[in-house]
Amino acid sequence: EIVLTQSPATLSLSPGERATVSCRASQSVTSYVAWFQQKPGQAPRLLIYDGSKRATGIPARFSGSGSGTDFTLTIDSLEPEDFALYFCHHRNNWPPELTFGGGTKIDIK
Amino acid sequence: EVQLVESGGGLVKPGESLRLSCTGSGFSFGDYEMSWVRQAPGKGLEWVGFIRTKASGGTTEYSASVKGRTSISRDDSKNTAYLQVNNLKIEDTALYYCTRLGWFGAEIWGQGTLVTVSS
Repeated sequence: EIVLTQSPATLSLSPGERATVSCRASQSVTSYVAWFQQKPGQAPRLLIYDGSKRATGIPARFSGSGSGTDFTLTIDSLEPEDFALYFCHHRNNWPPELTFGGGTKIDIK
Repeated sequence: EVQLVESGGGLVKPGESLRLSCTGSGFSFGDYEMSWVRQAPGKGLEWVGFIRTKASGGTTEYSASVKGRTSISRDDSKNTAYLQVNNLKIEDTALYYCTRLGWFGAEIWGQGTLVTVSS
C-alpha cells in the first residue's frame, strides 16, 4: 500500500504570502499525484493533476511540482478564499487502490 | 454542470445494513468508473472501493478495511452508483463521498452523505 505523507499539518499565513505544501509518497508514483482544495461543507475541488497540470478554471497562482516520491503544491500570493484544507491524492493501478494525504490546513495568521 | 449527489445516510445501529446512492448528472455516467471515499470525524480520507465501467466488466475493488462487508454496484440507466455496507460498526461512522474516477484518480466529488452508527 502506498502511503502519502503531507506536511505541515497546519500552515498559518497572511494574505499575499506564498504557501508551500509537501506530499511524500512511500514509494515512487512517477508523476501521478493530484491536489485538492476542500472548504467546510463543500465537496473537494480538483486543483492539480498529473503532478503539475492545473485543472480547468484553476487560477495560475496554484502550481504543482515534483515526481517520484516528492511533490509540492505552491500557492503564490494567498487570496482570502484560499484559506482551506488541501490534500494530495494518488491512484495506483496495481494493486488497484486510491490513497490520500492526511491534509494540510492553511489558516489565516 | 457535472454533479454528483449522494443520499441514503442516517443513523443506524451496529450490525444493521445501509445502502447509499450516488446520482450523477451533466456527464455520460456509464463511461466512468465510480468510487466511494469516506471520512470519519476528525480523520483523513479513506478509500472504500470503486466499480469499473460495464465496458470494462463492471468489476469492483475494495479496500482491505471494508472488504467482505461492502458491495458497490451501478445502474447506468439511472445514472446511479450504490454502496451497500453490511454489519455496520461504530467505526463506520463517517461522511461518505461518491467520486467520479479519472485515470489519475477521484476527479469529481459529491457533497457527501453522513452515516452515524450508534446504539
